[in-house]
Amino acid sequence: GAVVSQHPSRVICKSGTSVKIECRSLDFQATTMFWYRQFPKKSLMLMATSNEGSKATYEQGVEKDKFLINHASLTLSTLTVTSAHPEDSSFYICSASQGGRLISPLHFGNGTRLTVT
Amino acid sequence: DAKTTQPPSMDCAEGRAANLPCNHSTISGNEYVYWYRQIHSQGPQYIIHGLKNNETNEMASLIITEDRKSSTLILPHATLRDTAVYYCIVRAQGGSEKLVFGKGTKLTVNP
Repeated sequence: GAVVSQHPSRVICKSGTSVKIECRSLDFQATTMFWYRQFPKKSLMLMATSNEGSKATYEQGVEKDKFLINHASLTLSTLTVTSAHPEDSSFYICSASQGGRLISPLHFGNGTRLTVT
Repeated sequence: DAKTTQPPSMDCAEGRAANLPCNHSTISGNEYVYWYRQIHSQGPQYIIHGLKNNETNEMASLIITEDRKSSTLILPHATLRDTAVYYCIVRAQGGSEKLVFGKGTKLTVNP
């Protein structure tokens, strides 16, 4: 089945630094990728939709200048948390769509646990 | 906002069937019902989806009522590894592909 790989699985960074998270579709081309964040004991919250070759669409309340998304190829999207602060500590999860098959399920990466100290 | 309602938690004995209900009374004609689960500290795992007919795969069965306002996910023989949060999501064909997660049901399978 379709596999989505997310890297790194865990990262600890100091306040004020930037962190990049990668999301790759390993065996299919993903025209669209989605980024979610999840706080402890909460559900997943959609942050943005990333389309290959175009600007990401952010959900209301998500700062686009803080969470930079790049979807430069059909198999890779990156999320950069800029000038991270402790409140950005969360579980970040990506998902990918094969596109053109709108009833096909989305496939999720295994998430990245970000801790900002 | 999520368009589904699920009980916050359920318990099931190992080896028994787990029946997880979901209400989606405002579902539209072109919306599918999807089920995902999330085991602690992992990404969501796709289980099954359907439009109006009942569906079965190697993981589970999905029963959708005739009026499509509710559905039930059935894990026929629950194991300890099925302990997870189960999410029922409606998603339109031809519309936005994004999945909007509700709070889900925390299923605990007990030995």
